[in-house]
Amino acid sequence: GAVVSQHPSRVICKSGTSVKIECRSLDFQATTMFWYRQFPKQSLMLMATSNEGSKATYEQGVEKDKFLINHASLTLSTLTVTSAHPEDSSFYICSALPITSDEQFFGPGTRLTVL
Amino acid sequence: AQKITQTQPGMFVQEKEAVTLDCTYDTSDQSYGLFWYKQPSSGEMIFLIYQGSYDEQNATEGRYSLNFQKARKSANLVISASQLGDSAMYFCAMREGLEGYQKVTFGIGTKLQVIP
Repeated sequence: GAVVSQHPSRVICKSGTSVKIECRSLDFQATTMFWYRQFPKQSLMLMATSNEGSKATYEQGVEKDKFLINHASLTLSTLTVTSAHPEDSSFYICSALPITSDEQFFGPGTRLTVL
Repeated sequence: AQKITQTQPGMFVQEKEAVTLDCTYDTSDQSYGLFWYKQPSSGEMIFLIYQGSYDEQNATEGRYSLNFQKARKSANLVISASQLGDSAMYFCAMREGLEGYQKVTFGIGTKLQVIP
């Protein structure tokens, strides 16, 4: 149990385009999902906390207009990187917090490359 | 100040030997949780072990144990009987608070390589 999926697993896009990444909890409901970014050989950095039915809470330094988060249901959160630039190339990982647990479960990650 | 410090960028261990990965943390909260995750080259984050600040005994999960020294603010991970599949990045993390929705901060990681 407690499986989290991300789609796509890899995406390559041109500079200036927008990319949407989906995070789904497959066998549980999650009121809270987290979005992280990991640059090569670096740690995970929390970008934002996504709560179902309300606005996401962004960490300091993360542009909310650039990284749009939508948590429309208890099993799906999406991260849209708008007007992507090469410096947005990174590994994006989501995690989901089951309603009945204090442990967050991670998705497999999405590798974004912006040309 | 960094909340989580991992001072070992890379570690080598002989197969079947034990290895300790260091982690120190910084918080003024009384309630917090400490985690260790494994990240293989595929990128997925695999939960290994958890220690709550009020837990009196060191956490253990199979070959993983957490050496929790509260006064020193250290939470070292001990892997016993290393296996080749243990080669990966290992991240120490802390949640300030005991509620699941609270923010988790990760250390910079230690790359462990198990030698046959």
